[in-house]
Amino acid sequence: EVQLVESGGGLVKPGGSLRLSCAASGFTFSSYNMNWVRQAPGKGLEWVSSISSSSSYIYYADSVKGRFTISRDNAKNSLYLQMNSLRAEDTAVYYCARDQCSSTSCYYFDYWGQGTLVTVSS
Amino acid sequence: ERVMTQSPATLSVSPGDRATLSCRASQSVSSNLAWYQQKPGQAPRLLISGASTRATGIPARFSGSGSGTEFTLTISSLQSEDFAVYYCQQYNNWPLTFGGGTKVEIK
Repeated sequence: EVQLVESGGGLVKPGGSLRLSCAASGFTFSSYNMNWVRQAPGKGLEWVSSISSSSSYIYYADSVKGRFTISRDNAKNSLYLQMNSLRAEDTAVYYCARDQCSSTSCYYFDYWGQGTLVTVSS
Repeated sequence: ERVMTQSPATLSVSPGDRATLSCRASQSVSSNLAWYQQKPGQAPRLLISGASTRATGIPARFSGSGSGTEFTLTISSLQSEDFAVYYCQQYNNWPLTFGGGTKVEIK
């Protein structure tokens, strides 16, 4: 069974940092592109960042470029999101999501974690 | 950036009725469009990819159509478990973008 479990969320002050983790199991993690998608309270979905299976290709939304860093450790079946210079508008539930395609790139998402809440407030 | 616009924002439908949801792209995204369903307190669930291909385990009452800039998600006969928010997402171009969502509520 595919499982994605996020952790690392919490309350942080504006300008602070936080590192999110996503532990994957039930599939060959190293074969899939992975992604972060967020959802502000009561709002819609916003794509944040994507990383290819071998970390060769990395993409960011303009809203987080230069502040967030996505990475992965295939040996540990884990995905990360380092978030620096956090702003109030970064407050959201952050979901880890798997790209459906293993042998090619799709960048749509067939499995999602339960999400971890990040609150940026003084 | 491809801006995705969904309409209507809210759709009131009676159980057993047909629901038609629209998603429009600001520029062509070919057939690289996905639909998701999200219920309160849950993560989104993939329904459709490639504009019209149902994901594994998705009932046949869900169907997708369209290409280019105009897309439709149709739920042929709404069941109680279908009342939720639906999002479209284009994956033709970076950045990936979602529509604002359509809430399907009980009439």
